[in-house]
Amino acid sequence: SQELEQSPQSLIVQEGKNLTINCTSSKTLYGLYWYKQKYGEGLIFLMMLQKGGEEKSHEKITAKLDEKKQQSSLHITASQPSHAGIYLCGADMLGGSQGNLIFGKGTKLSVKP
Amino acid sequence: EAQVTQNPRYLITVTGKKLTVTCSQNMNHEYMSWYRQDPGLGLRQIYYSMNVEVTDKGDVPEGYKVSRKEKRNFPLILESPSPNQTSLYFCASSQPYGRNTEAFFGQGTRLTVV
Repeated sequence: SQELEQSPQSLIVQEGKNLTINCTSSKTLYGLYWYKQKYGEGLIFLMMLQKGGEEKSHEKITAKLDEKKQQSSLHITASQPSHAGIYLCGADMLGGSQGNLIFGKGTKLSVKP
Repeated sequence: EAQVTQNPRYLITVTGKKLTVTCSQNMNHEYMSWYRQDPGLGLRQIYYSMNVEVTDKGDVPEGYKVSRKEKRNFPLILESPSPNQTSLYFCASSQPYGRNTEAFFGQGTRLTVV
């Protein structure tokens, strides 16, 4: 079974709108990583969260790891066409390293001009 | 420039013909891994390596081999490719947990087995 569930699977928003993507695990997360992928291309690192309650921002993207460390949300403010792509959450479930990342299935984001 | 380089980027081959996808990183990372990405299934780990001569199976290792004879290289070997191995493959490298660095991914290798 999928250990990391992302929701929604896909999302279409109007440019300028805010949106949130969720990543939920049934197990404690030792580290949670958000990546963005353009279709068929490599993954681009966005941010990493390690501590419960931690929140990080980069430009208009904010990610948060909940206190119980089992869910993370990625929030995009005032979306732009450049935000379109597939967003993937990856988690270290073993407390080992990023060499053992498990990924969610991804959320496909489309931004309509 | 820090990077993970995969070759080839695109490959079409026939069933049963052995092939190798190379992966090289220039960051002196200890950890390297291989993933495959399929529609509806997401990214799944094939093999990973924690250091030279140390490799372990991921979630979907069947039909694949890897080797880590030197730190910078981590080739993925398909001894007898089959059509169900048609996929988009990614190599990644990183430092061990706790060093607060991200995993770097290669640009991907799109493999088609006919």
